Amino acid sequence: EVQLVESGGGLVQPGGSLRVSCAASGFTFSTYQMNWVRQAPGKGLEWISYISSSGTTIYYADSVKGRFTISRDNAKNSLYLQMNSLRAEDTALYYCARRYCNSSSCFMDVWGQGTTVTVSS
Amino acid sequence: EIVLTQSPDFQSVTPKEKVTIICRASQSIGNNLQWYQQKPGQSPKLLIKYASQSLSGVPSRFSGSGSGTDFTLTIDSLEAEDAATYYCHQISGLPWTFGQGTKVEI
Repeated sequence: EVQLVESGGGLVQPGGSLRVSCAASGFTFSTYQMNWVRQAPGKGLEWISYISSSGTTIYYADSVKGRFTISRDNAKNSLYLQMNSLRAEDTALYYCARRYCNSSSCFMDVWGQGTTVTVSS
Repeated sequence: EIVLTQSPDFQSVTPKEKVTIICRASQSIGNNLQWYQQKPGQSPKLLIKYASQSLSGVPSRFSGSGSGTDFTLTIDSLEAEDAATYYCHQISGLPWTFGQGTKVEI
């Protein structure tokens, strides 16, 4: 079964750091691009970061650029998001999502269940 | 940044009714638009890719249309299980963005 399982969320103080992980199974992780998408409580979806299959191409939303770092370990079938200088507005459910590309388009076809990050003193 | 504006924000409908959700982009995005469905307590699920392409396993009552700046998600003959929030999403230009969502209540 194709699956993504996030972990590592929790409560952190403003200005603190946290690393969330996403474990992939049921597919060849090393051949897929990946994204992180977050959802603040009661709010909509926000794309925050992308990484290519090899890890050589990375993009960030302006809201997290310079504070968050996306990475992957293809040998461990894992995706990571290192979050530094956390702010209250980073409080959200963080989803990892697989990005599949065919001849016409790319899209996020598999999502994890999310891990909750709460930034509060 | 490409801004996606959905309308309406909320829609209360009855079963078998037809639902139309509009997504307008602040600049042309070609056909690089997707629609996702998110039911309460669940992760988003892809419904439509490349503006109008359906996916295997998605009921045929869901369809998408449009190109450029104006897009539509149509749900023909709504069923109770379609109660959810629907999001459009563009991948034409960075940062990739979502619409604010349309909540469909049965």
